[in-house]
Formats: sequence, C-alpha cells, structure tokens
Amino acid sequence: QLQLQESGPGLAKPSETLSLTCTVSGGSVSSKTYYWGWIRLPPGKGLEWIGTIYYTGITYYKPSLKSRVTISVDTSKNQFSLKLSSVTAADTAVYYCARSKPYYYGSGSRPDAFDIWGQGTMVTVSS
Amino acid sequence: QSVLTQPPSVSAAPGQKVTISCSGSSSNIGTHYVSWYQLLPGTAPKLLIYDDDKRPSGIPDRFSGSKSGTSATLGITGLQTGDEADYYCGTWDSSLGASPWLFGGGTKLTVL
Repeated sequence: QLQLQESGPGLAKPSETLSLTCTVSGGSVSSKTYYWGWIRLPPGKGLEWIGTIYYTGITYYKPSLKSRVTISVDTSKNQFSLKLSSVTAADTAVYYCARSKPYYYGSGSRPDAFDIWGQGTMVTVSS
Repeated sequence: QSVLTQPPSVSAAPGQKVTISCSGSSSNIGTHYVSWYQLLPGTAPKLLIYDDDKRPSGIPDRFSGSKSGTSATLGITGLQTGDEADYYCGTWDSSLGASPWLFGGGTKLTVL
C-alpha cells in the first residue's frame, strides 16, 4: 500500500531555510487523482496545515506562511518537497507529509481530507 | 486561536461514549466536508472520518461523524484505553483571504 516517508535535517539555524522531502512508495506522486500536502505539529500546540500541491505544480498555501514556503514536486524521483525560509524557533515542530483526497466540483477538483500520512520528522530551529 | 473551535479536553470511562465538537462558520463547516484525525504519540496521524460521516477502511464503527449547520461532531463509543489521543477536525474554507485548509485546535481525550 502507499507509504510516505519524510526526510531532511533535524536541525536548522535561525534565518536559514528548512528543507524536507517526502518520498512516496507504493504509489505515484504523478497521480491525477490525489494531492500532496505538508502539515506540522509544534510542541504543545495543534496541527497546522502548511500547504498542498498537485502533480501539475498547482499549489495551495497557508496565507500566513506563503511568503516563506515553497512546495514542489519531482515526478522523476516520486517525491515532493517543502522549503521554509527565514526560520525561527516558532518553526520548531514535527513535520508531516500526507496524501490528500480530492473533492470534485464541476469540471475540477481541489484537495480535501488527508488520508495517508508519513510518520513525521522532528525539526528543531536553534543556533 | 483556531477558526475551528474544539474543546481542549474531554474524558470518559472505559466502555462509555464521548463526543467531540468542532464549531466553525458558513464558509467552512457550513459549506464543506469535515474530516477527523487521531494523533497518538509517536505514530502517524490517522484519518478517522471523511466527508462528514464516512469511515475509511479499517476504522471501526465505534467512531462516527455527524454535522449540523456550522458544527460537526465526532462520536466514539465503547471507549478503550487505546483511544486516549488528540483528535482534530479539519475542513476547507472558501472565505476570501482565509487559509484554504483548516484544522481545529485539537481535543485531548482521556479515558479514565
């Protein structure tokens, strides 16, 4: 069955760029059906959606993070990635990648519920 | 402060039933499907309910979802100690300028 695995440095310095990759196995990131997202869980806080991407490169971002976030997809490697720039201690969190089911409307679709999640990777922002 | 409001905590005894509410507005819950997630420490989050009231394969029917107006509810019957976890609701928001996807603030379930 489809599995997702996050990877990347567990430590980032303030003001630097955090980079994480999610490798998809047992399925294809090029699927015309599903979307792919990043969500984080800061210590002692709740889930926070960061953004979602479709294989065509269409992206959806949380407005308050949009200026610092880039989500991209690499179909040749069956991966999608997260870059978060100018990080601070507030960006310390467990970062999850997840597959998003589509919601169909008219002739289009948009991302909806996250049905498969990775195990998560802890990223600490500290000097 | 989350746009979707959940109680911070709920508790009940083993075997009992508990409900967790998620309150939103017409631009999110009132218009779009709600999903529910279970977060157990050290494990990947799990989708419990999608499209307001549908269970993915493998989720026991002890878990149920419902929605009325701008509020949604997760119900868990026959509580087990293994159900102790954090639960989150999630939905799309079509309000201009709002975050397209929202999670509630989360509810910690304690099985006494």
